[in-house]
Amino acid sequence: QKEVEQDPGPLSVPEGAIVSLNCTYSNSAFQYFMWYRQYSRKGPELLMYTYSSGNKEDGRFTAQVDKSSKYISLFIRDSQPSDSATYLCAMNNAGNMLTFGGGTRLMVKP
Amino acid sequence: GAVVSQHPSWVICKSGTSVKIECRSLDFQATTMFWYRQFPKQSLMLMATSNEGSKATYEQGVEKDKFLINHASLTLSTLTVTSAHPEDSSFYICSASAGAHEQFFGPGTRLTVL
Repeated sequence: QKEVEQDPGPLSVPEGAIVSLNCTYSNSAFQYFMWYRQYSRKGPELLMYTYSSGNKEDGRFTAQVDKSSKYISLFIRDSQPSDSATYLCAMNNAGNMLTFGGGTRLMVKP
Repeated sequence: GAVVSQHPSWVICKSGTSVKIECRSLDFQATTMFWYRQFPKQSLMLMATSNEGSKATYEQGVEKDKFLINHASLTLSTLTVTSAHPEDSSFYICSASAGAHEQFFGPGTRLTVL
């Protein structure tokens, strides 16, 4: 079993929909949680960074962490075609080594 | 802030030649740099971790004599693929960290070995 599980998708939604992306993990020591967005043939871009449990909002993006369930989510409101990309969750406990999920490919159709 | 560049963005080389890829942190000092490779529709695979002035730490299965990593300064790391072969063709991505928990990624280098 992988340390971090993420549904690969693809997830296809119409423009304007609310998107929910999720990861589950097994290592209870993880405390720092990140979401990266990766466009095709580009490097990942850091979207959200959360410490421990709780919610964090930035514009149309909301990150949620539920450490008791070992479950993290990224919500995208009013999704746009430009949001079409692969979304990677990543996490760590100490230091800066990251454990990545496999990524979810999102397609937002106009 | 937190901008990481890579050069070149793409390279095509003949089998048996060596290719050097540069990774630079443009607006911060990177105590640690990471090198990943990524095959199509797959996630990132960590190859090695390097700290400035130290030898790189390679992940299991990654040949250190084939993938030479130099981290000579707090803003520059290089990856040299020696005696490249077609199976080395991939997307190579570096990331940099200033000691906090996040990593900031470069735009990637697409290597094609003929």
